[in-house]
Amino acid sequence: SQTIHQWPATLVQPVGSPLSLECTVEGTSNPNLYWYRQAAGRGLQLLFYSVGIGQISSEVPQNLSASRPQDRQFILSSKKLLLSDSGFYLCAWTPTRGTDTQYFGPGTRLTVL
Amino acid sequence: QKEVEQDPGPLSVPEGAIVSLNCTYSNSAFQYFMWYRQYSRKGPELLMYTYSSGNKEDGRFTAQVDKSSKYISLFIRDSQPSDSATYLCAMSAQAGTALIFGKGTTLSVSS
Repeated sequence: SQTIHQWPATLVQPVGSPLSLECTVEGTSNPNLYWYRQAAGRGLQLLFYSVGIGQISSEVPQNLSASRPQDRQFILSSKKLLLSDSGFYLCAWTPTRGTDTQYFGPGTRLTVL
Repeated sequence: QKEVEQDPGPLSVPEGAIVSLNCTYSNSAFQYFMWYRQYSRKGPELLMYTYSSGNKEDGRFTAQVDKSSKYISLFIRDSQPSDSATYLCAMSAQAGTALIFGKGTTLSVSS
């Protein structure tokens, strides 16, 4: 069966510090991968999605970036965090074909102080 | 007009009640519809998946899609305290494209 992991689970970072969040998927090949941010009262905001290694699409302009160095690994990064980057970051995956259903990871709660 | 509208609640019901959660949407091209349940500080988990119009039932949960009205519903029968969570609707026009989510409705079921 497929499993999706995210780490860390919780992170507190000062403004201006760098960020690296990691997501890995097990039990599947060539998944589509997604990064979302969930802020209170604002719902799920799609940040990035990837259909393959090195293929990243950005949905919103911001100081975040994403990379996919391996088939089942998706990384969210920032060089300098802003207060507004605080939120709950969720990674999700779908099979390449056949379904639109997205499966979510456990999330990373980021607080920028 | 936002693409997907969902009343944030909170919605409070007694145990055993029938719960109705709803979303409206504006894009007539949407044809894939999902409901997710999210417990506090956890990732969303898929509850129901429906393609096009009609009803789908799974245990105490029924998902209903009315494409003519651009309206989807999730019914929970015999609600339990363990159903207390935020429920998110999601939809898309094509398989493989990004989902559009509602903001979620917070449900509280009291024993």
